[in-house]
Amino acid sequence: AQTVTQSQPEMSVQEAETVTLSCTYDTSESNYYLFWYKQPPSRQMILVIRQEAYKQQNATENRFSVNFQKAAKSFSLKISDSQLGDTAMYFCAFKSSGSARQLTFGSGTQLTVLP
Amino acid sequence: NAGVMQNPRHLVRRRGQEARLRCSPVKGHSHVYWYRQLPEEGLKFMVYLQKENIIDESGMPKERFSAEFPKEGPSILRIQQVVRGDSAAYFCASSPSSGVYNEQFFGPGTRLTVL
Repeated sequence: AQTVTQSQPEMSVQEAETVTLSCTYDTSESNYYLFWYKQPPSRQMILVIRQEAYKQQNATENRFSVNFQKAAKSFSLKISDSQLGDTAMYFCAFKSSGSARQLTFGSGTQLTVLP
Repeated sequence: NAGVMQNPRHLVRRRGQEARLRCSPVKGHSHVYWYRQLPEEGLKFMVYLQKENIIDESGMPKERFSAEFPKEGPSILRIQQVVRGDSAAYFCASSPSSGVYNEQFFGPGTRLTVL
């Protein structure tokens, strides 16, 4: 079974600064998909960014980018030019390319952007 | 375009009562997933359904919990004889097909409180 670990329960960053959230995972599969979801106080889950394991190029979405290190099984999220609206819980998630279609989530990192 | 709808948003039950949680997927989506989020934790997969079929229920407790996704109408997660430990946020997600790369769109969740 896959596991996803987020070792930083809480982080804070000053507005306009850059912050990196860590995520490691464990799997025996060679191909899979990784995601970062954001859960603001409204509790709505919002997809931030996704990465396919067979793609070496790191995914980027505007101010959000990932550092995907397949050998190290690491998938960190970098948020540049942090904004107050980025304050939320961030979850890293894994999805198998096999028959299992569910997402396996980490325990989350609460990010607070300070004015 | 309406996203995933869940109702009720908040549900209070006394121990021993039944809880029924409803999920209407994005229009045209035929795949539904249920996740449970306990306080201070990440989301945990419960069950994956297609229209009229349960595909994977490996994350759902064997007793008291059941799920369905009928040909017509919303998906229902049913919890019989609720206990305090069932208090959690229950999220539904939908996707258009079973493709591994298909994004799962999440609903706003139902927060169940068992008194």
